[in-house]
Amino acid sequence: GENVEQHPSTLSVQEGDSAVIKCTYSDSASNYFPWYKQELGKRPQLIIDIRSNVGEKKDQRIAVTLNKTAKHFSLHITETQPEDSAVYFCAASQMYNNNDMRFGAGTRLTVKP
Amino acid sequence: DGGITQSPKYLFRKEGQNVTLSCEQNLNHDAMYWYRQDPGQGLRLIYYSQIVNDFQKGDIAEGYSVSREKKESFPLTVTSAQKNPTAFYLCASRGLQGGSDTQYFGPGTRLTVL
Repeated sequence: GENVEQHPSTLSVQEGDSAVIKCTYSDSASNYFPWYKQELGKRPQLIIDIRSNVGEKKDQRIAVTLNKTAKHFSLHITETQPEDSAVYFCAASQMYNNNDMRFGAGTRLTVKP
Repeated sequence: DGGITQSPKYLFRKEGQNVTLSCEQNLNHDAMYWYRQDPGQGLRLIYYSQIVNDFQKGDIAEGYSVSREKKESFPLTVTSAQKNPTAFYLCASRGLQGGSDTQYFGPGTRLTVL
């Protein structure tokens, strides 16, 4: 089955700096890679996702890149703000069969004002 | 953000007791999921259901049971056989939104065994 590894486990940046979180996956059949943001005590919320037919996707200050050959994908947050502080999870699955969706262990991002 | 509800938000249980966590969705999604979240770990899949009256074990099903009698509801029972049940439990359902066929989560239930 799929195995997803996520690094780093904690990340602290100064407000305005960029943050990068990296994930690797093991199953070459995976073709769908969502990222979730979870604030303390709340539900994970989808913030961006990417399918394997594209290498990069951007939505305002966040972007995700995918390297299918190397089986890794990354989340990039630019111009970080204190409200970006949360735990971020990556995941991997097959697009129309995400019963096999597997999650990374999470990255706790702290943005210092 | 809405459409999936879980209750209760906090639940306390004595050792040896079974407890049932509720999950309801009004999104008309076929597939529903239960995950367990422990500190410092990702989400681990307990059970999932692709359709009414059908469900499958996930990676950590031992000590848990589910039912799917209605499309809207997917309750999880934590039995006394679950050796370490204290955790945050998340329910999710899957459907299309904004072009993404992905999982959407409920607010969670924090279970504490006393």
